[in-house]
Amino acid sequence: SQQGEEDPQALSIQEGENATMNCSYKTSINNLQWYRQNSGRGLVHLILIRSNEREKHSGRLRVTLDTSKKSSSLLITASRAADTASYFCATDATSSNTGKLIFGQGTTLQVKP
Amino acid sequence: GAVVSQHPSRVICKSGTSVKIECRSLDFQATTMFWYRQFPKQSLMLMATSNEGSKATYEQGVEKDKFLINHASLTLSTLTVTSAHPEDSSFYICSASMVDEKLFFGSGTQLSVL
Repeated sequence: SQQGEEDPQALSIQEGENATMNCSYKTSINNLQWYRQNSGRGLVHLILIRSNEREKHSGRLRVTLDTSKKSSSLLITASRAADTASYFCATDATSSNTGKLIFGQGTTLQVKP
Repeated sequence: GAVVSQHPSRVICKSGTSVKIECRSLDFQATTMFWYRQFPKQSLMLMATSNEGSKATYEQGVEKDKFLINHASLTLSTLTVTSAHPEDSSFYICSASMVDEKLFFGSGTQLSVL
């Protein structure tokens, strides 16, 4: 069963603009991760935020986590055409951090040059 | 970074045949690997957890006799789709975890059953 709900399902912006994607989940988690998938390819890990963290940065990426609302957001600043991809949040809700992740529905991002 | 290799990347087969997909961790040992299935424009659905040296753990609704998983070594897990039918056509992706919890994914296998 899917753990996460993401919105928007699709997002289209101009190059240089910021893109924000949101993810909500249902159960308690150990960590929440964001992945990127180019069409027809595997997934690439972007960032991991633990349940005791509230915000994390990596380059142009900023992730927030609100465990009280069971939600997370991914912000991509100064977007580029190469950022066009699908973005998924995934949660690890196991008691032993096994790496078993449940993925959200994903947001398809299109960045127009 | 760690690399997970998945083969084949694309396979077309006739209905009733079996297809084997390999997932290898190239530069690390993976005691646990995961198999996901993805339909077009949809999310990844976890099918099973593959544990080295033991039986795989299947998610609810996944037929273990249909999707055979073998994890014979610390670097190789295989998924065999037995007696494939058109409804099994999908994108199958494997992943392996390291101690820092993030997953490394294979590049996926697009299965088309005619």
